[in-house]
Amino acid sequence: GQSLEQPSEVTAVEGAIVQINCTYQTSGFYGLSWYQQHDGGAPTFLSYNALDGLEETGRFSSFLSRSDSYGYLLLQELQMKDSASYFCALLTGAGSYQLTFGKGTKLSVIP
Amino acid sequence: GAGVSQSPSNKVTEKGKDVELRCDPISGHTALYWYRQRLGQGLEFLIYFQGNSAPDKSGLPSDRFSAERTGESVSTLTIQRTQQEDSAVYLCASSLSPGRTDTQYFGPGTRLTVL
Repeated sequence: GQSLEQPSEVTAVEGAIVQINCTYQTSGFYGLSWYQQHDGGAPTFLSYNALDGLEETGRFSSFLSRSDSYGYLLLQELQMKDSASYFCALLTGAGSYQLTFGKGTKLSVIP
Repeated sequence: GAGVSQSPSNKVTEKGKDVELRCDPISGHTALYWYRQRLGQGLEFLIYFQGNSAPDKSGLPSDRFSAERTGESVSTLTIQRTQQEDSAVYLCASSLSPGRTDTQYFGPGTRLTVL
């Protein structure tokens, strides 16, 4: 099976940079995804790492190290609207490409 | 459609009743997924459809849960003899085709409350 660990809560100041870490245990996976979910809303895709290294998409970057079973999401120039829960998820499955999610990190951005 | 839609948005039912939850995926998306999210938790995979067939049902928690998909479009998740532990948000996602880099797009979910 698979398991993912991420901090339950993070607080950061508007305009700052925050990093949300994700460690995992798995026997095999295709890649690591990150999703954002506002309270009561649908998860929305942020980033995906199929290979080791850094992927950059605007203010968001994601990193994967398969040798360390570790990844992170980096959010720059934080805005109040970034307050949400962030989930890391392993893309796994023998042909079904299902997502196995962590429990999520609730990010609070304060003025 | 513009995105994945689900209905109803909220469903309150009594223990022991059957419920049906509907998902309309993005037009043209061949892959469809059902997930469950309990309060304050991550999403749990339930079932995957490729077209109208379900090659992966490994996440269904019991035989009270079933799902079908017709016309490579609409999917229905049915929960029979609901229990209080079934209370959760049920989310549907679709992707253009299953693949290592394809993005899953989620619907807004159905919040199920079993009294």
